[in-house]
Amino acid sequence: GAVVSQHPSRVICKSGTSVKIECRSLDFQATTMFWYRQFPKQSLMLMATSNEGSKATYEQGVEKDKFLINHASLTLSTLTVTSAHPEDSSFYICSARADRDNEQFFGPGTRLTVL
Amino acid sequence: GQNIDQPTEMTATEGAIVQINCTYQTSGFNGLFWYQQHAGEAPTFLSYNVLDGLEEKGRFSSFLSRSKGYSYLLLKELQMKDSASYLCAAMDSNYQLIWGAGTKLIIKP
Repeated sequence: GAVVSQHPSRVICKSGTSVKIECRSLDFQATTMFWYRQFPKQSLMLMATSNEGSKATYEQGVEKDKFLINHASLTLSTLTVTSAHPEDSSFYICSARADRDNEQFFGPGTRLTVL
Repeated sequence: GQNIDQPTEMTATEGAIVQINCTYQTSGFNGLFWYQQHAGEAPTFLSYNVLDGLEEKGRFSSFLSRSKGYSYLLLKELQMKDSASYLCAAMDSNYQLIWGAGTKLIIKP
């Protein structure tokens, strides 16, 4: 099956620093990728839809200046959490929708801890 | 509005069968997904239904009725490792996934 990778898998950073998370589709092209956030014991929350070559579409309540998304190619999207604070600590998951059949594949997730 | 409903928690016995139901209301419909999620991990894809009927994959089967806005995930010969949350998600007309809150399945020996 199709594989989506995320890097890093875990990151611990100090408050005020920025963290970049990469999402790659390894064996398929994905014009559209999605970034989710999951708080403990809650469902996944869609943060934004990332489209290759254009600006990301953010969900209501998600600060676009804080969560910068860049979809640089058909296989790579990055999420940068700028000026991270402890409340940004969460599990961030990306998914990629395959251009060939619209099936969606998830990355393994990145656990961010902000001290 | 768009909405997905599934039970919060279910308990079943090892070796038995369990059915997890999901009802959905979305703006347009492009398929219904089931995912398995173990604690602390990203969801794993289980099934995708876009046509009415039953799709079987080994011990797991998924059913869809578009006219009723209803799906279920059937797990047979339950194993302890099947203890996880099972997420139902419907894809709307914009190809975005609308997620349910998940059903926590507890398997007892």
